Amino acid sequence: GESVGLHLPTLSVQEGDNSIINCAYSNSASDYFIWYKQESGKGPQFIIDIRSNMDKRQGQRVTVLLNKTVKHLSLQIAATQPGDSAVYFCAENIRQAGTALIFGKGTTLSVSS
Amino acid sequence: GAVVSQHPSRVICKSGTSVKIECRSLDFQATTMFWYRQFPKKSLMLMATSNEGSKATYEQGVEKDKFLINHASLTLSTLTVTSAHPEDSSFYICSAKDPQRGQETQYFGPGTRLLVL
Repeated sequence: GESVGLHLPTLSVQEGDNSIINCAYSNSASDYFIWYKQESGKGPQFIIDIRSNMDKRQGQRVTVLLNKTVKHLSLQIAATQPGDSAVYFCAENIRQAGTALIFGKGTTLSVSS
Repeated sequence: GAVVSQHPSRVICKSGTSVKIECRSLDFQATTMFWYRQFPKKSLMLMATSNEGSKATYEQGVEKDKFLINHASLTLSTLTVTSAHPEDSSFYICSAKDPQRGQETQYFGPGTRLLVL
């Protein structure tokens, strides 16, 4: 199964399913977006990024979609595995500003086998 | 490449004492580092921006005299929690940008768990 639409604080899927995690960003001037994965007790780990001149970018098993019109970002994970269980955060930035990333609310992904 | 370390990984201290947390960029020079704080099941909140050779820039609501930041070299920034109290217990995470990789991606350290008794 998969979940689309509004941000959900938690998402539970079965192993092998596709997962979709949503994020709404706040600053219309932001032009760079990143998805991070954070496992318990660890720092955020880079997954994939996208610039505002793109609306889709694919990585290995992951795809990020950007809708600037509604300031919405999503992360799609194909064939979700138990090792994907973690908290996922989106982050936004203005590239040339040299400022820090601003993080959105996280989504806890739980994958059951 | 682009590895950031933090030390210690966890620390327990008594109320009223000061605790220093180190953030190092291991394989690159970082003119700018960032300090975040994270409460359980919450997102990362930016505390301050640490600039090498100059004063840190603090976010609104963060006490600069409470959270002292020093960025004395291009590979080291320190956060000192002064006169720590139980409400300062949190997960502190630093990050750094690698100028040679552009001003975009931030690389995060593994975090430091602080518990103030």
